[in-house]
Amino acid sequence: KQEVTQIPAALSVPEGENLVLNCSFTDSAIYNLQWFRQDPGKGLTSLLLIQSSQREQTSGRLNASLDKSSGRSTLYIAASQPGDSATYLCAVIRTTTDSWGKFQFGAGTQVVVTP
Amino acid sequence: EAQVTQNPRYLITVTGKKLTVTCSQNMNHEYMSWYRQDPGLGLRQIYYSMNVEVTDKGDVPEGYKVSRKEKRNFPLILESPSPNQTSLYFCASSYGAAGTGELFFGEGSRLTVL
Repeated sequence: KQEVTQIPAALSVPEGENLVLNCSFTDSAIYNLQWFRQDPGKGLTSLLLIQSSQREQTSGRLNASLDKSSGRSTLYIAASQPGDSATYLCAVIRTTTDSWGKFQFGAGTQVVVTP
Repeated sequence: EAQVTQNPRYLITVTGKKLTVTCSQNMNHEYMSWYRQDPGLGLRQIYYSMNVEVTDKGDVPEGYKVSRKEKRNFPLILESPSPNQTSLYFCASSYGAAGTGELFFGEGSRLTVL
């Protein structure tokens, strides 16, 4: 079974510092990987989607890389701001026929950006 | 506005009293799915649907039922709720076949079973 791990579970940084969030998965047979943001008491918002054939995706201050061979993805947030405080989750969807349509989520990294 | 709408947002019920949590999306997505989120256990998939009348079990389907009679709606049914189903529930949809596109989430439904 696919296991998705996010380390660290929590992170606190001063405003302006770059954030580096990690996501690892045990099975490299993934179709794509998504990064999400969740604010307290809210639903998840998709930030970036990386197809398995891609190495990275960028959106504004966000950059996500994917290394299937090592089972890792990293989300970089440049020049963090207090508004970036949230929980960040990654999720993978596998390519095998018995897993088609099934998502596996990491537990998330809770980020606090202090002014 | 493109959105996934869940109702109710908050619900307190008692053991054994059947309830339904509705989910509706206005983006013409084929893929819809349900998740529960629990402290320490993260987000776990309950059921998903890749098209009308096509549903499949996720990782934690026990105690739940779903139906997909229309493309836009995907209700979650708890026939006989128990306290261990107290949780935060999310519905999501995606434009990609089998959920391979960007996943859009509803705001969540917080359920308490006494």
